[in-house]
Amino acid sequence: DTEVTQTPKHLVMGMTNKKSLKCEQHMGHRAMYWYKQKAKKPPELMFVYSYEKLSINESVPSRFSPECPNSSLLNLHLHALQPEDSALYLCASSQGWGNTIYFGEGSWLTVV
Amino acid sequence: EDKVVQSPLSLVVHEGDTVTLNCSYEVTNFRSLLWYKQEKKAPTFLFMLTSSGIEKKSGRLSSILDKKELFSILNITATQTGDSAVYLCAVCGSGGSNYKLTFGKGTLLTVNP
Repeated sequence: DTEVTQTPKHLVMGMTNKKSLKCEQHMGHRAMYWYKQKAKKPPELMFVYSYEKLSINESVPSRFSPECPNSSLLNLHLHALQPEDSALYLCASSQGWGNTIYFGEGSWLTVV
Repeated sequence: EDKVVQSPLSLVVHEGDTVTLNCSYEVTNFRSLLWYKQEKKAPTFLFMLTSSGIEKKSGRLSSILDKKELFSILNITATQTGDSAVYLCAVCGSGGSNYKLTFGKGTLLTVNP
């Protein structure tokens, strides 16, 4: 079983809503990630936090806003999303750079 | 730009068959290659390979890396219907001060009874 926990598992939101996806890990990992995965495509990197600081932003639109309150938690704040943003959002963590990345079970997001 | 190519993109076999999945890559400052299995949810970690020629094995699954020819294979022997999934290959390399994981498109394996 994965030790990366994501909530909620499913989320349906309107284009004017504000919602958040949450991720938690207690493995002492220092790097945390957000990936987006569309159907029949591989995961695409969105953000990487290393030691609670944003290290990589893969040119993600500002309607997605990450936050890392502490070394165990990672949030993804969502605002004014578009239907094409509907996807599986995967949180992941690793001990550090270049180590094995472990994924959470994902949050299925539908924007209506 | 880092690149990971998996083949075949899909494969249908019968239970008991042996399959070999391929992954070739081009990456800046290679650090590791990872295999994941994805069913209907998140990718599940299978193997991490960093050294050439050393086979990693877990039950019926095994994998090996060739850093000279820049590829890896994932073997599954005596396949079962539960092996049906997308198998993702990902390569970790560094550009500048950051490491990035680049995924291939995956191989969809279907094992029929």
